[in-house]
Amino acid sequence: GQSLEQPSEVTAVEGAIVQINCTYQTSGFYGLSWYQQHDGGAPTFLSYNALDGLEETGRFSSFLSRSDSYGYLLLQELQMKDSASYFCAATDTGRRALTFGSGTRLQVQP
Amino acid sequence: DAGVIQSPRHEVTEMGQEVTLRCKPISGHDYLFWYRQTMMRGLELLIYFNNNVPIDDSGMPEDRFSAKMPNASFSTLKIQPSEPRDSAVYFCASSQGPAYGYTFGSGTRLTVV
Repeated sequence: GQSLEQPSEVTAVEGAIVQINCTYQTSGFYGLSWYQQHDGGAPTFLSYNALDGLEETGRFSSFLSRSDSYGYLLLQELQMKDSASYFCAATDTGRRALTFGSGTRLQVQP
Repeated sequence: DAGVIQSPRHEVTEMGQEVTLRCKPISGHDYLFWYRQTMMRGLELLIYFNNNVPIDDSGMPEDRFSAKMPNASFSTLKIQPSEPRDSAVYFCASSQGPAYGYTFGSGTRLTVV
């Protein structure tokens, strides 16, 4: 099976940078994804890393280190609308479907 | 594209009743997933299909749950009989494959009283 760990809550101020970490334990790791979910909404895809390194998409970046079984989501120039829950999720070569972490609730303050 | 379409958005039913949730995936997406979300257990995979064939149903809680995908544009998740502990938000998602992002539907909020 798989397990992913991420902090339960993070608080930051508008305009700041925040990093949400995720560690995983899995056999046959395939890739790490990140999803955003606003209260009452559906998860939306942010990024996917299959290889080590940094992937940048606008204000959001995601990093993966396969050797450390670790990844993070970096959010820059925080805006109030970034207040949401952020989930890391892993795919393995066996199951080939996402297993989600428990989510990190980000609160952006003025 | 209208995205992944789920119905109903909300369902309130009495314990013991049958509940059917519906999902229309994005055209061209070969994978369809059913997830359940609760505060206690987070997002759990129930079952997924590839090209309409069930691949992994190990997350289906028990025999009361069943899922079908009769064609590429429609899937159902049925609970019979329903129990209060089934109350959750049920999401359907579709994808082009493991290396692609999932597109989730708006979810069905199920309340069993």
